[in-house]
Amino acid sequence: GQNIDQPTEMTATEGAIVQINCTYQTSGFNGLFWYQQHAGEAPTFLSYNVLDGLEEKGRFSSFLSRSKGYSYLLLKELQMKDSASYLCAAPSGAGSYQLTFGKGTKLSVIP
Amino acid sequence: DGGITQSPKYLFRKEGQNVTLSCEQNLNHDAMYWYRQDPGQGLRLIYYSQIVNDFQKGDIAEGYSVSREKKESFPLTVTSAQKNPTAFYLCASSIIGRTSTDTQYFGPGTRLTVL
Repeated sequence: GQNIDQPTEMTATEGAIVQINCTYQTSGFNGLFWYQQHAGEAPTFLSYNVLDGLEEKGRFSSFLSRSKGYSYLLLKELQMKDSASYLCAAPSGAGSYQLTFGKGTKLSVIP
Repeated sequence: DGGITQSPKYLFRKEGQNVTLSCEQNLNHDAMYWYRQDPGQGLRLIYYSQIVNDFQKGDIAEGYSVSREKKESFPLTVTSAQKNPTAFYLCASSIIGRTSTDTQYFGPGTRLTVL
C-alpha cells in the first residue's frame, strides 16, 4: 500500500512564502493531489500533478519529482485565511482508484 | 448549483443505535466514497462504489454498511457493531472512478457524536 508522509504542523507569517513537503512511495505512482481543509469543513481540491515540474495557480503552486517520490505545495503572499490543514494524497497502489491521504499539515498564519 | 450534500451537519446518537448518514450528488459522477476522519488522522476509506448496485469495502469497513440504489445517492449506516463511531464523516464523488487520477470532490461532512 501507499505511505504518505508530511509534516504535522507549520507556522508562517502573513505575507511570507511557505513550502509544505510530501513524500510518497513511487511504485505504481499515478498522480498526486493536494487538498485544503479548514477546521470543521470538507477538503477542497487544490491541485493534481502527474508530470514532473512546477504547476502554478495564482498564489499556490505544486511541484512533483516522480523519481524522488517528492512533492511540495508552495503558498505565496500568505493571508490569514490560508490557515488550514493541507492534505497530500496519492493512489493506494498500482492501478488503484483509491486514494491514500496523508495526515495533513496544519498551517498557522500569524500576523 | 451542482454539488454534494450531506445531512445532517451534526448528529447525536445513543450508544447501541444504528444511524444512517445521507449523501446526495447532482454532479452526474459515477463513483462515490465514504471516509472517516479522526483528530490528527488522515482520511480513511470506509466504502466506495463505482456503479449503481455495486460497492467495495475500503480499509475500515467493519461496523458500517452502504447501499447504492441510485447513481445520485450513497447512504452510510453506522451500526452498533462499530466500536468507536464518533468521528467526522465525509462523502466524496468523482467523475469516473476507473483510474486513480479522477479528482474526488467532497461534501460538507457530518459530525457524528455517540453519547
